Amino acid sequence: GAGVSQSPSNKVTEKGKDVELRCDPISGHTALYWYRQSLGQGLEFLIYFQGNSAPDKSGLPSDRFSAERTGGSVSTLTIQRTQQEDSAVYLCASSLAGGQGEANTEAFFGQGTRLTVV
Amino acid sequence: AQTVTQSQPEMSVQEAETVTLSCTYDTSESDYYLFWYKQPPSRQMILVIRQEAYKQQNATENRFSVNFQKAAKSFSLKISDSQLGDAAMYFCAYRRKPGYALNFGKGTSLLVTP
Repeated sequence: GAGVSQSPSNKVTEKGKDVELRCDPISGHTALYWYRQSLGQGLEFLIYFQGNSAPDKSGLPSDRFSAERTGGSVSTLTIQRTQQEDSAVYLCASSLAGGQGEANTEAFFGQGTRLTVV
Repeated sequence: AQTVTQSQPEMSVQEAETVTLSCTYDTSESDYYLFWYKQPPSRQMILVIRQEAYKQQNATENRFSVNFQKAAKSFSLKISDSQLGDAAMYFCAYRRKPGYALNFGKGTSLLVTP
């Protein structure tokens, strides 16, 4: 596809259930980022992938959160035993980041998944 | 840790007028990168403008320009000739260097009135 694709667009789940959020980055983009945006808040960094490895997962809020990336492409963010405070929009971004001088390379964002835990 | 502060939760501007959105950041780095992103109700984050810290010249993109004050760690966005389509959330962001994530401020909601 031409842009970053996230699915589903919206997800309503019951407290205690597990959810999986998917991100398809732009083809050829080696860097992939997950962010969480709560109502009225900025974007909270969760995890960063370079290829299939995650050099920075410092933003994951608890061990209920995990993410993986396969084939240097699709990434899945999994939230286990969801709680109401997990309700937010989860945004994925990808870029060509890597190597000196490329830090200003634009990060392209998907439209996010709105997660509601009831 | 780097922090980004946007002190204006909401701003309003009349169509065709000019508005300035404020952003300050905290860092001990000398080289870094700054960005302004726009987020309309569709949730799609769109890059508006970017600035490399080692460049003294302020970046401009059509009606959008920045006032980068490195010593003051300030990075404000000026929107000239405001249009109704400029109404959105605007986020200021900082990136330390390659391999690091963007750190975002909490955003400024811009309302454009006819």
